[in-house]
Amino acid sequence: QVQLQESGPGLVKPSETLSLSCIVSGASISNSYWSWIRQSPEKGLEWIGYIYYGRTANYNPSLKSRVTISVDTSKDQVSLNLKYVTAADTAVYYCATRLWDRHSSSWFWFLDSWGQGAQVTVSS
Amino acid sequence: DIQMTQSPSSVSASVGDRVTITCRASQGIATWLAWYQQKPGKAPKLLIYGASTLQSGVPSRFTGSGSGTDFSLTINSLQPEDFATYYCQQGQGFPLTFGGGTRVEIK
Repeated sequence: QVQLQESGPGLVKPSETLSLSCIVSGASISNSYWSWIRQSPEKGLEWIGYIYYGRTANYNPSLKSRVTISVDTSKDQVSLNLKYVTAADTAVYYCATRLWDRHSSSWFWFLDSWGQGAQVTVSS
Repeated sequence: DIQMTQSPSSVSASVGDRVTITCRASQGIATWLAWYQQKPGKAPKLLIYGASTLQSGVPSRFTGSGSGTDFSLTINSLQPEDFATYYCQQGQGFPLTFGGGTRVEIK
């Protein structure tokens, strides 16, 4: 069973960079897709983007100019960096895996295992 | 972006009731739709994918149906642990998008 654990600063100043880590256990970090999603009362659930180890990344166009997702295989860690944050970036941030359906042996773009979430507040 | 619209935004029900939640996509998504359950302070949990396939371990009282633009989630014989917020999500194209949620409350 995949387990994900987000961590990072709970408070970030406006215009600075939000940096979060997601520690992965129970799965090969190099053999799966890793997404970041955030949730706020204002915007609800918002998909930020995904990375497939060292090969492919895809970001939400609404955030693309500010976001980077990366993988560190030596630490079994997926990272999120979001630059130039504002109060609108205040949210709970989750990492999650893409669903692998064993019955059809296919990847689906639904989100299977999630971390517990990390609250990030942007404020001076 | 594909917009996902859920209704109602909230519903009050009693234990044992049947509850149906609907989700409409702004364009056809075949059966590329999932439903999640979220309880306060917890991450969303995948219940149903492919519009009607129950995720492993999810009770059979949860059923999903629909295709194209109109989908529904039905909870048969509501149990105390089912009081939560439910979200739909389209997996047809990027960016992945979610509905606004339906809160199932105790009557």
